[in-house]
Amino acid sequence: NAGVTQTPKFQVLKTGQSMTLQCAQDMNHNSMYWYRQDPGMGLRLIYYSASEGTTDKGEVPNGYNVSRLNKREFSLRLESAAPSQTSVYFCASSKNGQLNTEAFFGQGTRLTVV
Amino acid sequence: GENVEQHPSTLSVQEGDSAVIKCTYSDSASNYFPWYKQELGKRPQLIIDIRSNVGEKKDQRIAVTLNKTAKHFSLHITETQPEDSAVYFCAARQIDTDKLIFGTGTRLQVFP
Repeated sequence: NAGVTQTPKFQVLKTGQSMTLQCAQDMNHNSMYWYRQDPGMGLRLIYYSASEGTTDKGEVPNGYNVSRLNKREFSLRLESAAPSQTSVYFCASSKNGQLNTEAFFGQGTRLTVV
Repeated sequence: GENVEQHPSTLSVQEGDSAVIKCTYSDSASNYFPWYKQELGKRPQLIIDIRSNVGEKKDQRIAVTLNKTAKHFSLHITETQPEDSAVYFCAARQIDTDKLIFGTGTRLQVFP
C-alpha cells in the first residue's frame, strides 16, 4: 500500500497562475483533508470531505477550491495564486470519524508563489 | 467552530527529564484527540490518541490525559531522549462533522 500520495512535491508559481494539487489514498478511507502549514501557525484546515460527494470549508478556505473526484482522490485548486499562499500543503485521510481512527498524511507539497 | 489551543510553543528539557504539552478545545462535540509528531522535513505521524470515554492512556514513555469537563488534554513524555526532539501537534475531531482541527504545535528540544 502506498498510503496517501500527493503530487507534485515541489512547485513554483507566478502570482495569478493557477494549479491543482493532487491527492490519492489507497486505504479505502472515507474522510480526506487538505491542510496548509506555515511557520508558527501549525496545521490549518483548508477543506475537508467526510465522504465521497461532500466537501466542507475548514479554517482557511478563501482562495481555494476542492473536488472529491471519487473515494480515492481529493484535489485542491488555486485559481489565482497569491504570495500569501506560499506554504507546505498536506493531504490526509482517515476512516469514518465514528470509528475515531488515525489520520494518515501525504508527504507534502512545498509551494512557492513569486 | 472548533478551536484548539496548544502550549507552550517551545519547550527545552534535559535528557532524562519529563516534558508536558497542554491543549484545550472549545467544541464539546469533539470526541477524539490524537497527538502527532513531526520531524524536520517530514510528514506528521500519530504517536498516541485518546477517545472521549477514556481519561488516560499510556504507551511506554508517552501518556495522554483527558479532562472532558474542563475541555483540556495533555501529552506527557517521560525519560526524554534526544530523538524525541521534534514538533508535536495536538488535535480534536468533531463526531458530527468529522472535522479534524490541529493546535499550533510545540517545538520540543531535548539536550544531551
